[in-house]
Amino acid sequence: AQKITQTQPGMFVQEKEAVTLDCTYDTSDQSYGLFWYKQPSSGEMIFLIYQGSYDEQNATEGRYSLNFQKARKSANLVISASQLGDSAMYFCAMSLSYNTDKLIFGTGTRLQVFP
Amino acid sequence: DTAVSQTPKYLVTQMGNDKSIKCEQNLGHDTMYWYKQDSKKFLKIMFSYNNKELIINETVPNRFSPKSPDKAHLNLHINSLELGDSAVYFCASSYRTRSYEQYFGPGTRLTVT
Repeated sequence: AQKITQTQPGMFVQEKEAVTLDCTYDTSDQSYGLFWYKQPSSGEMIFLIYQGSYDEQNATEGRYSLNFQKARKSANLVISASQLGDSAMYFCAMSLSYNTDKLIFGTGTRLQVFP
Repeated sequence: DTAVSQTPKYLVTQMGNDKSIKCEQNLGHDTMYWYKQDSKKFLKIMFSYNNKELIINETVPNRFSPKSPDKAHLNLHINSLELGDSAVYFCASSYRTRSYEQYFGPGTRLTVT
């Protein structure tokens, strides 16, 4: 069965430092996608970054990068130069192929950035 | 301009009542979704519609009935509400060919008393 695991319920990081949020996944599919979403305290879900299973390079979007290690089945999110506004819940998610509509979410990691 | 909107934002009702949540997107997307986020923040897909056609229907009680009058709208009707239905319900939309990039609405916090 497909599964996403986020083992860090909470993380703290000082402003301007980098932080890594862990995500491991389990699937027997060869074709899948991995994503990260941010949920601030206001509640909305914000798409951050996407990595396809066949993409050879790690995805990057501004200060966000996805450290994709296929053999380890991990898709960690790296946030560089943390900002106070980065404080939020972060969810790792997986889809089973590039075009499937069904996202499977992890349980989330709460990140708190302090000055 | 709100991309994905939901109404109402908060909904408090008693057990046994019937209620609806409305969702609209103005992004031109062809696929819309309903998710449920429980008190532990776990987010799970309930339904997905593509061009008004139901394509995902997870194990959800049949008290929950989605309706898509057109591809810009996806409503969720819940009959005979139960305490366990209390959650935040999110609507989302995407292009079918880019389903990994879903845009979420602000959520509707449903409280059943």
